[in-house]
Amino acid sequence: EPEVTQTPSHQVTQMGQEVILRCVPISNHLYFYWYRQILGQKVEFLVSFYNNEISEKSEIFDDQFSVERPDGSNFTLKIRSTKLEDSAMYFCASSLLAGSVFGPGTRLTVL
Amino acid sequence: SQQGEEDPQALSIQEGENATMNCSYKTSINNLQWYRQNSGRGLVHLILIRSNEREKHSGRLRVTLDTSKKSSSLLITASRAADTASYFCATDATSGYALNFGKGTSLLVTP
Repeated sequence: EPEVTQTPSHQVTQMGQEVILRCVPISNHLYFYWYRQILGQKVEFLVSFYNNEISEKSEIFDDQFSVERPDGSNFTLKIRSTKLEDSAMYFCASSLLAGSVFGPGTRLTVL
Repeated sequence: SQQGEEDPQALSIQEGENATMNCSYKTSINNLQWYRQNSGRGLVHLILIRSNEREKHSGRLRVTLDTSKKSSSLLITASRAADTASYFCATDATSGYALNFGKGTSLLVTP
């Protein structure tokens, strides 16, 4: 069964550093998403991407965040200058239409 | 916001019993989905019910949707210890299929 993959599984970084989280969505999917889940809290939507551009974003997705689909397979989330409060699980997801398939997540720890 | 909100927050049952979790949301939706998350792991898509559907079955799962009450329920029949996980409802109301998650119900099934 096709799946969404994410790398790395765990990223540790110093506050103020840039991080790039990588995702390979399911190949025939059209919509791509990033979500985050702070420990013990609910999953929060960050951004959706369709037709090579951002289609929707939440208030969380400020100027520190950016997304890119650099080639036909990868989908990345960049955090320019990490803060302590960016520590969370970051989930990539993709969908053909409704019914998103989630990746296993990247645990980001900002020290 | 139109977040799904689940209740109960936590549910503890014995193997073989049925587990019922409820979800309420605030605004009109296109679809409502249920996801499962094992501790520290990714989100697994369980079932999607469209706004024009009232009930859906998948194996031991039964989902109902009442759009007039803006609520849904997830029933897991004949529960197993392996069903122990957190269960989240998620709604989408936009053309981009971005999901709003509830806080989840933590289900514990004891042998």
